[in-house]
Amino acid sequence: DVKVTQSSRYLVKRTGEKVFLECVQDMDHENMFWYRQDPGLGLRLIYFSYDVKMKEKGDIPEGYSVSREKKERFSLILESASTNQTSMYLCASSLYQGASNQPQHFGDGTRLSIL
Amino acid sequence: KQEVTQIPAALSVPEGENLVLNCSFTDSAIYNLQWFRQDPGKGLTSLLLIQSSQREQTSGRLNASLDKSSGRSTLYIAASQPGDSATYLCAVRNYGGSQGNLIFGKGTKLSVKP
Repeated sequence: DVKVTQSSRYLVKRTGEKVFLECVQDMDHENMFWYRQDPGLGLRLIYFSYDVKMKEKGDIPEGYSVSREKKERFSLILESASTNQTSMYLCASSLYQGASNQPQHFGDGTRLSIL
Repeated sequence: KQEVTQIPAALSVPEGENLVLNCSFTDSAIYNLQWFRQDPGKGLTSLLLIQSSQREQTSGRLNASLDKSSGRSTLYIAASQPGDSATYLCAVRNYGGSQGNLIFGKGTKLSVKP
């Protein structure tokens, strides 16, 4: 079974802090994704990566950056946390784009609160 | 721009009923459609994935259908159980555009009463 592990289930940080959210997958997937989920807005894509050191912006990249130094690990960085970044953050992974029938697999999420 | 809609937003049924959840999308140029389940405070669990060339997929008591030309998918749950209570999300993967990312509906929150 695919395992996507997010380092923290709950996280509380202060405004202005630099915050790191970590995600690791164990299935050698090329694609990895970061989403945020908010009531009434659903899931929105922040960034994704299709290979080591490769990244592309999703729908809402402002205020975030990402790092993918190793294939199995994809980090989301809040450069200077703000209260409007309080949300549930979900990481996902999938096989390469050409395999169009491959599903995305999600981690359990990190509920981040910015005070 | 692709938009995915799920109606109703919430549904409550008695245990044992068969039920259908609906998903519609505006752009029929999709690779596939995926149904997920999300329990409160948890991540998403993939239930079924239908490729654009397929009409339906089945897993146990779940059956998902896809009518790409009309932009619709349904998730049929047979003999519902209280353990089926969760939010069900559908998502489509478009041709072109961003590589591999999914566009999600906002979900249907299902409650199955004992």
